Amino acid sequence: AQKITQTQPGMFVQEKEAVTLDCTYDTSDQSYGLFWYKQPSSGEMIFLIYQGSYDEQNATEGRYSLNFQKARKSANLVISASQLGDSAMYFCAMRLLGETGGFKTIFGAGTRLFVKA
Amino acid sequence: DTEVTQTPKHLVMGMTNKKSLKCEQHMGHRAMYWYKQKAKKPPELMFVYSYEKLSINESVPSRFSPECPNSSLLNLHLHALQPEDSALYLCASSQDDGGARGNEQFFGPGTRLTVL
Repeated sequence: AQKITQTQPGMFVQEKEAVTLDCTYDTSDQSYGLFWYKQPSSGEMIFLIYQGSYDEQNATEGRYSLNFQKARKSANLVISASQLGDSAMYFCAMRLLGETGGFKTIFGAGTRLFVKA
Repeated sequence: DTEVTQTPKHLVMGMTNKKSLKCEQHMGHRAMYWYKQKAKKPPELMFVYSYEKLSINESVPSRFSPECPNSSLLNLHLHALQPEDSALYLCASSQDDGGARGNEQFFGPGTRLTVL
């Protein structure tokens, strides 16, 4: 079954420290994309970072990096130097070929991150 | 212009009303999406349009009717909704629908729908 699992419903981190949000996935496809999105309380989903299944290097975007371990099917998000504005819900997502032939994105349950001052 | 806009921001409707949600993007993206998101849950895909044609319908009830008048616009027509349809409806777009890799989606701010 194609599935994304985020096992941390909530996480706390001290401002300026690093935090890792866990994500594991399950698919038998060879070609897929992994994404992380941030959703503040306002509701808008903000794209953070992308990792392709064939990419050998871990993706980085500013303070965000993706720790991709293909054999373990994990794609953890690392946020360095946390800021108060990082408090939000974070979703891991996977893009893959759907049953009807079109490409679709499925989301994990999300992790709520709280950054403490 | 790198944003997806959605109107209205909030909508309250009765079960007998007919209303429409609108979504617009001017990034030249050829794939557009509707998602439904209940409180404290991840977004659930409803529909995908690729090059103005419906490519995915995730078994959504017929009281939700999508429409893609052109490559920049996406509508969701609502009729005879139920209270359990109350949710945040998110529109998104991506460069195209042609692959698993890349193609990050850009989301609009959503429409918060309440069905009384």
